[in-house]
Amino acid sequence: DQQVKQNSPSLSVQEGRISILNCDYTNSMFDYFLWYKKYPAEGPTFLISISSIKDKNEDGRFTVFLNKSAKHLSLHIVPSQPGDSAVYFCAASGQGTYKYIFGTGTRLKVLA
Amino acid sequence: GAVVSQHPSRVICKSGTSVKIECRSLDFQATTMFWYRQFPKQSLMLMATSNEGSKATYEQGVEKDKFLINHASLTLSTLTVTSAHPEDSSFYICSASNRQSTYNEQFFGPGTRLTVL
Repeated sequence: DQQVKQNSPSLSVQEGRISILNCDYTNSMFDYFLWYKKYPAEGPTFLISISSIKDKNEDGRFTVFLNKSAKHLSLHIVPSQPGDSAVYFCAASGQGTYKYIFGTGTRLKVLA
Repeated sequence: GAVVSQHPSRVICKSGTSVKIECRSLDFQATTMFWYRQFPKQSLMLMATSNEGSKATYEQGVEKDKFLINHASLTLSTLTVTSAHPEDSSFYICSASNRQSTYNEQFFGPGTRLTVL
């Protein structure tokens, strides 16, 4: 039972354009969501997070949007840069637990 | 962010041997550490959660006698893969958390690539 899903395994975007990565979840008890970037053979690097009390959080080029009614979150990267090419994982955490449930990842390729 | 290290970064061993992987939080006290494994092109799957000074809590389907976890101090947790077999070959990643942080923030180590021949 995949509680956190990223339905697009890959995405290609032209440099300078917007990258939009999507994530859906099924558990309404999740109250904290994160995005991580990962390169092959390395650990995930934290990008941005959002609490369920908010619907948007912005940090530089990265913005995360949360739609609780749709159980959907998205990561916007603008402008996209070739260095953003990596696998992006969304993760969710539930109230009272420190466990993360990771999505299946989306491989982003930013074309120069 | 906080720094978490793992050692070794990669290990190759023969089938039947045991392998120990260390996870250290270098600049903060990790009350909780997590162990994940990742197969190629797949998600990070949580294996177990360990709190300092207590027994680890294993996720469903993870054999606790095969994957021994020790969290003896606030800066060190170890994962021992006992009697390793080729199907145990994977990328193992630890993360560390401090419950005094604002949210449930986890800091990840760089991972350990295990190859069992």
